[in-house]
Order: sequence, then C-alpha cells, then structure tokens
Amino acid sequence: EAGVAQSPRYKIIEKRQSVAFWCNPISGHATLYWYQQILGQGPKLLIQFQNNGVVDDSQLPKDRFSAERLKGVDSTLKIQPAKLEDSAVYLCASSLGLDTYEKLFFGSGTQLSVL
Amino acid sequence: QKEVEQNSGPLSVPEGAIASLNCTYSDRGSQSFFWYRQYSGKSPELIMSIYSNGDKEDGRFTAQLNKASQYVSLLIRDSQPSDSATYLCAVKSGATNKLIFGTGTLLAVQP
Repeated sequence: EAGVAQSPRYKIIEKRQSVAFWCNPISGHATLYWYQQILGQGPKLLIQFQNNGVVDDSQLPKDRFSAERLKGVDSTLKIQPAKLEDSAVYLCASSLGLDTYEKLFFGSGTQLSVL
Repeated sequence: QKEVEQNSGPLSVPEGAIASLNCTYSDRGSQSFFWYRQYSGKSPELIMSIYSNGDKEDGRFTAQLNKASQYVSLLIRDSQPSDSATYLCAVKSGATNKLIFGTGTLLAVQP
C-alpha cells in the first residue's frame, strides 16, 4: 500500500515570496490533514478536509495561508506571502474516516525555510 | 496551562534499561490517547494507543493511563539505541475531537 506522498521535500524561499506544497493521501482515505511542526514542537493542525470539504480550519492563518482539495483526493497548501515564522515542516496526513486517529498516517513532510 | 505537556528532555538511558516517558493533559473529557515516535528528520509514526485506565502492552512498549490524574505514560523495556527518537504524546480532545500533540520528549539510548 502506497503511503502519503508529499512534495517538495525541501523548499527555501525569501520572506514575502509565495510557496505551495502538494499532498496525495493514501488511496481511499477520505480525511486529509495539514499540520505545521515548528522545530522543537509537536505538530499543530492547520486544516482538515473530509473529502473535498473543510471540516476545521480554525488554526489556519487565513490572511496568508490557503488550502484546497478540489476533487477530494490530492491537496495543495499555499503560503502567500511567507514570513520568517512560517519556517517549519509541513506534514500531510490522512485517515479513512473523520477523527479516526487509530489509523492516521503521515507523509514525509516538506521542510520550509524562510530567509 | 498547555493542553498536552511533556518534558522535552533529553532523557538519557543506558542500553537495556527501562525508559519512562510521561505526559499530562488538561481536557478531562479526553478519551483517546496516542504515542508517536519521530526519528530526526522523519514523520511521526504511531506506536501505541490507549483508551482505558490501566496498562496496555505491545512487545517492549507499555502505555499507562490514569484519567483521574490526567496522566499517560509510555514505558520502553530493554531500550535499544534504535529507540533513540522524539516521542510525541497526542490526546484526542473531548471537546473538539481534534488530535492535540505535546512538544515531545527526546530519548537518547546510550550503547
């Protein structure tokens, strides 16, 4: 079974630039999550999708972050414009159903450095 | 008070010893608790889940839950250098059903 795919693996940008991350969840997984993990901290949920609908985006800085999952499969997360404090690993995860964390699988993440 | 608290460590134990990792949480309505292992530069992977008070064993790992004290722990018996990683405690919020992670404890097993 293929895992959660993410790209790119690394990204270095300057502040005020824009960046986009891509995620393809495990086949058949209806729920997709984007987490932000700052160095030395645990993952923090940014946005959660159920199929192509947003379930929770309460911690997404909507003035600069946006995410979509148009066809209910793969997803993109965008930051525009980036700030220094956005430097983090962005983890995508997926699970079969809503809030079923017993089978939550993470991708390898995208490490973002904002200079 | 943080929702999920862990000592950041590092916790250093000799090879073959028992490593004890602790976690406290603030939401009394929480019912599901998870331990993830995260190697440096890698993504978190689930190693244990626990839902009822008491102990749950899986190989060298034992998770312990005490809801009255709002405390969950992970014991690793016969620690190996390959167990060296950050261990993240995660709690499913009773109020929001969202998974809240602690900051993680760095475990270093010395050969």
